[in-house]
Amino acid sequence: DTEVTQTPKHLVMGMTNKKSLKCEQHMGHRAMYWYKQKAKKPPELMFVYSYEKLSINESVPSRFSPECPNSSLLNLHLHALQPEDSALYLCASSQGQGARSEAFFGQGTRLTVV
Amino acid sequence: AQRVTQPEKLLSVFKGAPVELKCNYSYSGSPELFWYVQYSRQRLQLLLRHISRESIKGFTADLNKGETSFHLKKPFAQEEDSAMYYCALSGQQGGTSYGKLTFGQGTILTVHP
Repeated sequence: DTEVTQTPKHLVMGMTNKKSLKCEQHMGHRAMYWYKQKAKKPPELMFVYSYEKLSINESVPSRFSPECPNSSLLNLHLHALQPEDSALYLCASSQGQGARSEAFFGQGTRLTVV
Repeated sequence: AQRVTQPEKLLSVFKGAPVELKCNYSYSGSPELFWYVQYSRQRLQLLLRHISRESIKGFTADLNKGETSFHLKKPFAQEEDSAMYYCALSGQQGGTSYGKLTFGQGTILTVHP
């Protein structure tokens, strides 16, 4: 299995809602990532988990809360989002650094905040 | 800090013509460089990486440390090459073992019949 699977594919939520995005990989990768991609822009890194521990937080607002329950799963909990948070949220994983830092991306969750 | 620059937002060529997508980077350490491609309605996927020095779908890219460049080239473009191409750099942060991937702004390649 060489895929990163993200659910749901689409999500519409109100500004007072609480929702979660889910990501799963079964490639044995020890690093997992959340990226945010606005239309016609490159992905921007939000969080990096390394061996299930948060290693990088790119100054992301606290209304985004990541969680890594185990080495195969990565969640992104959303609460009190703003309309400008509407974007494609991408999950990725990689085996490690250097030659193994190739990232595999999921299809993304298209989030609309209303 | 690490930065990736792709100077061309749009690039149009005719089928069979050579194509070069430019990428320059800024990084104080020893970078890992990649080209990712995003076809219409498909996920972002790795095209090639500098360390493997391979040719994928006819594309090649050579890391030039002197010019801090990693340009993507193909001698004969095909219509199916039309896509968004991102150059990306993987570095380290504070000794953390796993890389932080920084993307350029992307180049939309259109290959006309």
